[in-house]
Amino acid sequence: DGGITQSPKYLFRKEGQNVTLSCEQNLNHDAMYWYRQDPGQGLRLIYYSQIVNDFQKGDIAEGYSVSREKKESFPLTVTSAQKNPTAFYLCASSIVGRVYEQYFGPGTRLTVT
Amino acid sequence: DAKTTQPTSMDCAEGRAANLPCNHSTISGNEYVYWYRQIHSQGPQYIIHGLKNNETNEMASLIITEDRKSSTLILPHATLRDTAVYYCIVRVGYNQGGKLIFGQGTELSVKP
Repeated sequence: DGGITQSPKYLFRKEGQNVTLSCEQNLNHDAMYWYRQDPGQGLRLIYYSQIVNDFQKGDIAEGYSVSREKKESFPLTVTSAQKNPTAFYLCASSIVGRVYEQYFGPGTRLTVT
Repeated sequence: DAKTTQPTSMDCAEGRAANLPCNHSTISGNEYVYWYRQIHSQGPQYIIHGLKNNETNEMASLIITEDRKSSTLILPHATLRDTAVYYCIVRVGYNQGGKLIFGQGTELSVKP
């Protein structure tokens, strides 16, 4: 089955540590996205990539970094510079010409203490 | 992008049609209406989109008024698994890197 996988589903880290969230898709989509969702709130865009080896900052990129070395993979690193890292992180992908029809992964819930 | 207004919550009986309204009175001619839903603790799921004609797919129907100032998402036979938050989003067809702007949405509860 085609889809997007994010792992792990739950992640716990100590403050001051960097942590990398995995996102893999086998939908052959060129565009991939990372969003953050806080309790009771909508999604906010962190980074997006429309092609391998290229990515752009979204609305809240500070304290985060990404890479896009392969079409299938778009890992997100939450660095120690991110002031409030505890959140639900969602990865999505789409065909470049249909960017508002995004397919989402199951999400990773990150808790930093 | 046009602002959307949706009721905060709605109930629906299992097996009945769920009609979820969305007001987008400031929509412009090149803006599409998209619907997503998010089941608790899962990623959002794309449902359907339209520009001015009514649309139907295997999940739902989208009815857009002739003046395009409002639309209704219809789940024809709601099941318990349709309990979710439903988001109506208005976007220009392709720009800004595909950012989806989710508002508060409508929390639909399907009851037995």
